[in-house]
Amino acid sequence: AQKITQTQPGMFVQEKEAVTLDCTYDTSDPSYGLFWYKQPSSGEMIFLIYQGSYDQQNATEGRYSLNFQKARKSANLVISASQLGDSAMYFCAMRDSGNTGKLIFGQGTTLQVKP
Amino acid sequence: DVKVTQSSRYLVKRTGEKVFLECVQDMDHENMFWYRQDPGLGLRLIYFSYDVKMKEKGDIPEGYSVSREKKERFSLILESASTNQTSMYLCASSFPTGSGNTIYFGEGSWLTVV
Repeated sequence: AQKITQTQPGMFVQEKEAVTLDCTYDTSDPSYGLFWYKQPSSGEMIFLIYQGSYDQQNATEGRYSLNFQKARKSANLVISASQLGDSAMYFCAMRDSGNTGKLIFGQGTTLQVKP
Repeated sequence: DVKVTQSSRYLVKRTGEKVFLECVQDMDHENMFWYRQDPGLGLRLIYFSYDVKMKEKGDIPEGYSVSREKKERFSLILESASTNQTSMYLCASSFPTGSGNTIYFGEGSWLTVV
């Protein structure tokens, strides 16, 4: 069965510093996709970044980058130059390879950016 | 910009009421989803639809039904609301299954059943 594990319930980072949010996954499928979402306190789930299992390079989107280590089955999110607006819950997710194509989510990490 | 719109952000309903949560997407996506999110339980899939009038049960369909009469609209129905259905509900949509197809979410609907 596919599974996503986020071991950090909460993280603090100083404004303007970089932070890494951990994510490990488990799947027996050779083809899979990994996603990171941000959920502010208002509730909406905002797509941040995507990494495909066959992608040769780590994905980047502005201040977000994904440190993809396939052999270790890890897909950590790196946020550079943290801003106060980055304070939110962050979810790592994997797209299910079955019929539904649903997302399987980790438990999330709450990030607080300190001024 | 992609857009998934949920009609109600905050609702308070009484036990036993019939509740409709509406979701509309403007991206011509085939797939639509309803999740609920609860502290400590994470996000759980309620129902899924891959085409008009097609639906499949997710992980926790009990007490819910859905309707997809048009491609852009996916409705979640609580036939007789109960207090244990107090939760945050998230609608999502995407192109068909494929590991690279991003799933986009709406803003969420906070439902309280009293």
